[in-house]
Amino acid sequence: KQEVTQIPAALSVPEGENLVLNCSFTDSAIYNLQWFRQDPGKGLTSLLLIQSSQREQTSGRLNASLDKSSGRSTLYIAASQPGDSATYLCAFKAAGNKLTFGGGTRVLVKP
Amino acid sequence: SQTIHQWPATLVQPVGSPLSLECTVEGTSNPNLYWYRQAAGRGLQLLFYSVGIGQISSEVPQNLSASRPQDRQFILSSKKLLLSDSGFYLCAWSKVRGDAEKLFFGSGTQLSVL
Repeated sequence: KQEVTQIPAALSVPEGENLVLNCSFTDSAIYNLQWFRQDPGKGLTSLLLIQSSQREQTSGRLNASLDKSSGRSTLYIAASQPGDSATYLCAFKAAGNKLTFGGGTRVLVKP
Repeated sequence: SQTIHQWPATLVQPVGSPLSLECTVEGTSNPNLYWYRQAAGRGLQLLFYSVGIGQISSEVPQNLSASRPQDRQFILSSKKLLLSDSGFYLCAWSKVRGDAEKLFFGSGTQLSVL
């Protein structure tokens, strides 16, 4: 059974500091890995999707990397802002149409 | 552009009452559709997914059912709600394009069963 783990569960940083969020998965047969943002009481917003053939994806201050051999993905958020405060979830896609989600990392950026 | 609508946003229901949550997608055809539940302090659990009209796959045994009466409409139902059905329910869709299929979520329904 595929497991996706996100550590830490919660993270608090001062504004301006870079954020590093980790996601690990147990199945190396990956199709893609997706990072989402969720604000309290809201749905999920897709941030970045990395295909199995890629090593990283970038969008603005966000950069996500994928290392299939070690079963890890990392989301970097540069120069964090209070508006970056949210829960960040990674989701792993292997065979079929289903994603397996991690438990999320709750981020607080203090002004 | 594609949009997904999910309603209601919040719902408070007594134990034993029926449930119907509706989700519709606009701006695309033949999407894959999903229902997820997010319980407090836990990750997202896939409940149902559908690859076409009338085609429903259930991921976990439960008190809920799903239907897809139209291409872009996905309904989550229950005949009699249990306390354990409380949670945050999310509808999502994806367009099959091989590996690069992003998942797009609705705004969610917070269900409280009392």
